Amino acid sequence: AQKITQTQPGMFVQEKEAVTLDCTYDTSDQSYGLFWYKQPSSGEMIFLIYQGSYDEQNATEGRYSLNFQKARKSANLVISASQLGDSAMYFCAMREEPQGGSEKLVFGKGTKLTVNP
Amino acid sequence: ETGVTQSPTHLIKTRGQQVTLRCSSQSGHNTVSWYQQALGQGPQFIFQYYREEENGRGNFPPRFSGLQFPNYSSELNVNALELDDSALYLCASSSGTGGLNEKLFFGSGTQLSVL
Repeated sequence: AQKITQTQPGMFVQEKEAVTLDCTYDTSDQSYGLFWYKQPSSGEMIFLIYQGSYDEQNATEGRYSLNFQKARKSANLVISASQLGDSAMYFCAMREEPQGGSEKLVFGKGTKLTVNP
Repeated sequence: ETGVTQSPTHLIKTRGQQVTLRCSSQSGHNTVSWYQQALGQGPQFIFQYYREEENGRGNFPPRFSGLQFPNYSSELNVNALELDDSALYLCASSSGTGGLNEKLFFGSGTQLSVL
Protein backbone atom coordinates (compact mmCIF):
# COMPACT_ATOMS: atom_id res chain seq x y z
CA ALA A 1 0.00 0.00 0.00
CA GLN A 2 1.21 3.48 -0.80
CA LYS A 3 2.31 5.40 2.24
CA ILE A 4 2.02 8.83 0.63
CA THR A 5 -0.68 9.65 -1.91
CA GLN A 6 -0.76 12.82 -3.96
CA THR A 7 -3.86 12.67 -6.14
CA GLN A 8 -3.23 15.78 -8.24
CA PRO A 9 -0.70 15.10 -11.03
CA GLY A 10 -0.95 18.76 -12.09
CA MET A 11 -2.38 22.00 -10.76
CA PHE A 12 -2.73 25.45 -12.29
CA VAL A 13 -3.04 28.72 -10.38
CA GLN A 14 -3.09 32.39 -11.30
CA GLU A 15 -0.28 34.55 -10.01
CA LYS A 16 -1.08 36.12 -6.61
CA GLU A 17 -3.79 33.57 -5.83
CA ALA A 18 -3.62 30.80 -3.21
CA VAL A 19 -3.39 27.11 -4.06
CA THR A 20 -3.75 23.89 -2.05
CA LEU A 21 -1.79 20.75 -2.90
CA ASP A 22 -3.24 17.57 -1.44
CA CYS A 23 -1.41 14.83 0.45
CA THR A 24 -2.73 11.85 2.37
CA TYR A 25 -0.56 9.38 4.24
CA ASP A 26 -0.77 5.94 5.76
CA THR A 27 1.03 4.87 8.92
CA SER A 28 0.35 2.88 12.05
CA ASP A 29 3.00 4.80 13.99
CA GLN A 30 1.89 7.36 16.56
CA SER A 31 5.04 9.39 16.08
CA TYR A 32 5.96 10.55 12.59
CA GLY A 33 6.97 13.62 10.64
CA LEU A 34 5.58 15.08 7.43
CA PHE A 35 7.54 17.19 4.97
CA TRP A 36 6.95 19.11 1.79
CA TYR A 37 9.75 19.59 -0.74
CA LYS A 38 9.85 21.65 -3.94
CA GLN A 39 11.74 20.39 -6.98
CA PRO A 40 12.36 22.96 -9.73
CA SER A 41 13.58 21.86 -13.14
CA SER A 42 17.18 22.03 -11.84
CA GLY A 43 16.48 18.81 -9.94
CA GLU A 44 17.42 19.88 -6.42
CA MET A 45 14.84 19.08 -3.71
CA ILE A 46 14.22 22.17 -1.59
CA PHE A 47 12.75 21.82 1.92
CA LEU A 48 9.62 23.92 2.43
CA ILE A 49 7.87 22.94 5.65
CA TYR A 50 7.67 20.30 8.39
CA GLN A 51 4.83 19.06 10.61
CA GLY A 52 5.26 16.64 13.50
CA SER A 53 2.48 14.25 14.39
CA TYR A 54 2.28 15.66 17.91
CA ASP A 55 2.33 19.31 16.86
CA GLU A 56 -0.97 20.90 17.82
CA GLN A 57 -0.58 23.94 15.61
CA ASN A 58 -0.43 23.83 11.84
CA ALA A 59 3.08 24.61 10.61
CA THR A 60 3.75 27.84 8.73
CA GLU A 61 6.87 29.05 6.90
CA GLY A 62 6.37 32.39 5.17
CA ARG A 63 3.90 31.89 2.29
CA TYR A 64 3.69 28.15 3.01
CA SER A 65 1.34 26.59 5.52
CA LEU A 66 0.43 23.02 6.20
CA ASN A 67 -3.21 22.07 6.79
CA PHE A 68 -2.73 19.07 9.07
CA GLN A 69 -5.79 16.92 9.76
CA LYS A 70 -4.52 13.98 11.79
CA ALA A 71 -7.77 12.02 11.98
CA ARG A 72 -8.11 12.15 8.21
CA LYS A 73 -4.38 11.49 7.74
CA SER A 74 -3.99 14.45 5.47
CA ALA A 75 -1.26 17.08 5.27
CA ASN A 76 -2.13 19.55 2.54
CA LEU A 77 0.26 22.32 1.51
CA VAL A 78 -1.20 25.79 1.07
CA ILE A 79 0.80 28.34 -0.90
CA SER A 80 -0.52 31.87 -0.54
CA ALA A 81 0.05 34.70 -3.03
CA SER A 82 1.53 32.43 -5.74
CA GLN A 83 4.53 33.68 -7.67
CA LEU A 84 5.82 32.64 -11.10
CA GLY A 85 8.86 31.14 -9.37
CA ASP A 86 6.58 28.70 -7.52
CA SER A 87 6.14 26.70 -10.74
CA ALA A 88 7.77 23.35 -9.92
CA MET A 89 7.11 19.79 -8.76
CA TYR A 90 5.98 19.49 -5.14
CA PHE A 91 6.50 16.36 -3.10
CA CYS A 92 4.94 15.31 0.17
CA ALA A 93 7.07 12.97 2.28
CA MET A 94 6.89 11.15 5.60
CA ARG A 95 9.41 9.91 8.10
CA GLU A 96 8.36 7.23 10.57
CA GLU A 97 10.28 6.21 13.66
CA PRO A 98 13.74 5.18 12.41
CA GLN A 99 14.30 1.49 11.81
CA GLY A 100 17.90 0.68 12.67
CA GLY A 101 18.80 4.35 12.75
CA SER A 102 17.82 5.20 9.18
CA GLU A 103 16.30 8.63 8.65
CA LYS A 104 14.71 7.71 5.35
CA LEU A 105 11.93 9.74 3.82
CA VAL A 106 9.09 8.12 1.87
CA PHE A 107 7.89 10.36 -0.94
CA GLY A 108 4.67 10.65 -2.90
CA LYS A 109 4.62 10.88 -6.70
CA GLY A 110 4.39 14.63 -6.66
CA THR A 111 2.20 17.39 -8.06
CA LYS A 112 3.31 19.67 -10.88
CA LEU A 113 2.28 23.24 -10.11
CA THR A 114 2.10 25.80 -12.88
CA VAL A 115 1.63 29.47 -11.98
CA ASN A 116 0.13 31.53 -14.79
CA PRO A 117 0.78 35.29 -15.14
CA GLU B 1 28.28 27.33 3.92
CA THR B 2 28.82 24.89 1.04
CA GLY B 3 25.77 22.95 -0.06
CA VAL B 4 25.51 19.37 -1.30
CA THR B 5 27.34 18.86 -4.58
CA GLN B 6 27.07 15.87 -6.90
CA SER B 7 29.14 14.76 -9.85
CA PRO B 8 28.81 14.17 -12.68
CA THR B 9 25.58 15.98 -13.59
CA HIS B 10 24.85 13.67 -16.52
CA LEU B 11 26.11 10.23 -17.47
CA ILE B 12 25.40 7.81 -20.29
CA LYS B 13 26.26 4.12 -19.88
CA THR B 14 25.41 0.89 -21.64
CA ARG B 15 23.70 -2.12 -20.14
CA GLY B 16 26.05 -4.31 -18.10
CA GLN B 17 28.54 -1.54 -17.32
CA GLN B 18 29.37 -0.21 -13.87
CA VAL B 19 29.00 3.39 -12.67
CA THR B 20 30.20 5.47 -9.73
CA LEU B 21 28.39 8.62 -8.62
CA ARG B 22 29.89 11.07 -6.15
CA CYS B 23 28.50 13.36 -3.49
CA SER B 24 30.03 15.96 -1.18
CA SER B 25 27.90 16.59 1.87
CA GLN B 26 27.04 19.96 3.31
CA SER B 27 29.57 21.37 5.74
CA GLY B 28 28.99 20.00 9.25
CA HIS B 29 26.86 17.05 8.12
CA ASN B 30 27.91 13.47 8.91
CA THR B 31 25.02 11.57 7.33
CA VAL B 32 24.47 10.94 3.63
CA SER B 33 21.46 9.31 1.95
CA TRP B 34 20.99 8.28 -1.66
CA TYR B 35 17.69 8.31 -3.53
CA GLN B 36 16.67 7.10 -6.98
CA GLN B 37 14.05 9.15 -8.82
CA ALA B 38 12.63 7.52 -11.93
CA LEU B 39 10.88 9.71 -14.49
CA GLY B 40 7.49 10.87 -13.20
CA GLN B 41 8.01 9.36 -9.74
CA GLY B 42 9.01 10.55 -6.32
CA PRO B 43 12.48 9.75 -4.96
CA GLN B 44 12.98 6.24 -3.53
CA PHE B 45 15.40 5.58 -0.67
CA ILE B 46 18.42 3.49 -1.63
CA PHE B 47 20.56 3.62 1.53
CA GLN B 48 22.02 5.86 4.19
CA TYR B 49 25.53 6.21 5.61
CA TYR B 50 26.32 7.56 9.05
CA ARG B 51 29.95 8.04 10.05
CA GLU B 52 31.16 5.71 7.31
CA GLU B 53 28.76 2.87 8.13
CA GLU B 54 25.62 1.87 6.23
CA ASN B 55 22.72 2.21 8.70
CA GLY B 56 19.66 1.71 6.56
CA ARG B 57 18.81 0.29 3.16
CA GLY B 58 15.76 0.41 0.92
CA ASN B 59 14.47 -2.25 -1.44
CA PHE B 60 17.42 -2.24 -3.85
CA PRO B 61 19.53 -5.23 -4.93
CA PRO B 62 23.14 -5.73 -3.74
CA ARG B 63 24.52 -4.44 -7.04
CA PHE B 64 23.75 -1.02 -5.56
CA SER B 65 26.52 -0.33 -3.07
CA GLY B 66 28.05 2.68 -1.41
CA LEU B 67 30.86 4.16 0.57
CA GLN B 68 31.27 7.08 2.91
CA PHE B 69 34.69 8.59 3.47
CA PRO B 70 36.22 10.17 6.61
CA ASN B 71 35.35 13.64 5.28
CA TYR B 72 31.71 12.38 4.99
CA SER B 73 31.62 12.55 1.21
CA SER B 74 30.06 9.51 -0.42
CA GLU B 75 29.94 7.32 -3.49
CA LEU B 76 27.13 5.29 -4.99
CA ASN B 77 28.23 2.35 -7.12
CA VAL B 78 25.94 0.42 -9.41
CA ASN B 79 27.17 -2.77 -11.05
CA ALA B 80 25.72 -4.65 -14.03
CA LEU B 81 23.59 -1.71 -15.13
CA GLU B 82 20.08 -2.41 -16.36
CA LEU B 83 17.84 -0.23 -18.50
CA ASP B 84 15.56 0.38 -15.48
CA ASP B 85 18.46 1.98 -13.63
CA SER B 86 17.98 5.06 -15.81
CA ALA B 87 16.97 7.75 -13.35
CA LEU B 88 17.96 10.87 -11.46
CA TYR B 89 20.13 9.91 -8.48
CA LEU B 90 19.87 12.33 -5.59
CA CYS B 91 22.23 12.63 -2.68
CA ALA B 92 21.09 14.22 0.58
CA SER B 93 23.03 15.12 3.68
CA SER B 94 21.90 15.79 7.22
CA SER B 95 23.40 16.50 10.61
CA GLY B 96 22.60 13.02 11.94
CA THR B 97 20.75 14.05 15.08
CA GLY B 98 18.21 11.32 14.38
CA GLY B 99 15.09 13.32 15.12
CA LEU B 100 11.88 12.95 13.15
CA ASN B 101 12.21 16.59 12.12
CA GLU B 102 15.70 16.14 10.68
CA LYS B 103 15.84 18.02 7.39
CA LEU B 104 17.56 16.50 4.41
CA PHE B 105 19.53 18.84 2.16
CA PHE B 106 19.66 17.60 -1.41
CA GLY B 107 22.05 18.06 -4.27
CA SER B 108 20.90 18.65 -7.84
CA GLY B 109 21.41 15.02 -8.75
CA THR B 110 23.11 12.92 -11.40
CA GLN B 111 20.99 12.03 -14.41
CA LEU B 112 21.97 8.50 -15.45
CA SER B 113 20.89 7.10 -18.79
CA VAL B 114 21.44 3.40 -19.52
CA LEU B 115 21.28 2.43 -23.19
